Amino acid sequence: SQWGEENLQALSIQEGEDVTMNCSYKTYTTVVHWYRQDSGRGPALIILIRSNEREKRSGRLRATLDTSSQSSSLSITAAQCEDTAVYFCATHRNNNNRIFFGDGTQLVVKP
Amino acid sequence: DTTVKQNPRYKLARVGKPVNLICSQTMNHDTMYWYQKKPNQAPKLLLFYYDKILNREADTFEKFQSSRPNNSFCSLYIGSAGLEYSAMYLCASSRVTGQLYFGEGSKLTVL
Repeated sequence: SQWGEENLQALSIQEGEDVTMNCSYKTYTTVVHWYRQDSGRGPALIILIRSNEREKRSGRLRATLDTSSQSSSLSITAAQCEDTAVYFCATHRNNNNRIFFGDGTQLVVKP
Repeated sequence: DTTVKQNPRYKLARVGKPVNLICSQTMNHDTMYWYQKKPNQAPKLLLFYYDKILNREADTFEKFQSSRPNNSFCSLYIGSAGLEYSAMYLCASSRVTGQLYFGEGSKLTVL
């Protein structure tokens, strides 16, 4: 990726399991985006977490942000088949308009 | 309406020929981005416009051109396509330090 040290992962889990994807970044930021990309589509934002929010929830999604360790995580509770997608984190470098993506995680949820 | 539209969705080009990709958004966003996405890789930031100011990444500076004749419209121009340009090109728009809204992408195949 252009900035991140996120481990490129391919994760395969069973429906109903929980899963966590991690992301680390090198430069100062106050916001981390998480996007999912379905095959043949553009990425879509699923959750955005700011530095004043150590944790943020949206339905079965939970994002955390630790600015001291420059890392963020995205958890999905009770994964469903429709959660199968590629998940990326992204952040603004030094809080300007430049937004860079981490390597992403290919998540496959099997029935 | 949060739609970002890209044209064409699919483009076949010969090596050495020019390519022009088009993007439009109706959300009055101040920033428009172009990313290059190859299989199993993260989207790579090529350039972005903040208002009328073009910012190009250092490693793609000479390979891609762009124009933004008005707030809603942005193009990506490749003067002489090479095989390595085959990729999905993603356009996105946002307000400053806000989430990215992506189009469906333009898949370029260079032969």
